[in-house]
Amino acid sequence: RKEVEQDPGPFNVPEGATVAFNCTYSNSASQSFFWYRQDCRKEPKLLMSVYSSGNEDGRFTAQLNRASQYISLLIRDSKLSDSATYLCVVNMGPFSGGSNYKLTFGKGTLLTVNP
Amino acid sequence: EPEVTQTPSHQVTQMGQEVILRCVPISNHLYFYWYRQILGQKVEFLVSFYNNEISEKSEIFDDQFSVERPDGSNFTLKIRSTKLEDSAMYFCASSFGWGAGEQFFGPGTRLTVL
Repeated sequence: RKEVEQDPGPFNVPEGATVAFNCTYSNSASQSFFWYRQDCRKEPKLLMSVYSSGNEDGRFTAQLNRASQYISLLIRDSKLSDSATYLCVVNMGPFSGGSNYKLTFGKGTLLTVNP
Repeated sequence: EPEVTQTPSHQVTQMGQEVILRCVPISNHLYFYWYRQILGQKVEFLVSFYNNEISEKSEIFDDQFSVERPDGSNFTLKIRSTKLEDSAMYFCASSFGWGAGEQFFGPGTRLTVL
């Protein structure tokens, strides 16, 4: 099983659609979870952290199910500017001593929002 | 808004040559990272650095790679003898703390090895 696995996509949706991204992770000891977005040939940028209680930021809702090792991202009322690759990212810590965390990325799901 | 900067934006080199990629992390951050992304593939962790030493490194980060924080502001990645397969986008990142703290990524250096 891959460490972080995402829907392969791509997704093509009209403006205003609701889009759902799914992700699973293999390490049950994983500690923190994120969704990043990456525009073509740019750096990953944090979209939101994901908490067990679920969290919402405007049109974006993220959920985590630790028992199923599953993370989701929902985008409502999608905009043209939402077109990007969405990366599921997991911090598989903890590590002992002075070590700090590394991020493990999924391959990403490309979203294109069409006018 | 503070940001991570990287230079150069694009580096072209011949196979076997040494390259140094430079990063200036956010000034009050304490943890520094290098990641790479081969075209069309996922972002992969290379190395993390804290308190002037490597905290963790991946299997990709072999003896050809080294990192340094030479002057308290720059953070560099050196590849001693580049291979064709080193062609990738290299991202520097920094974070204030460890644990769940957000890592901020620089815009990347595109390395092309001919």
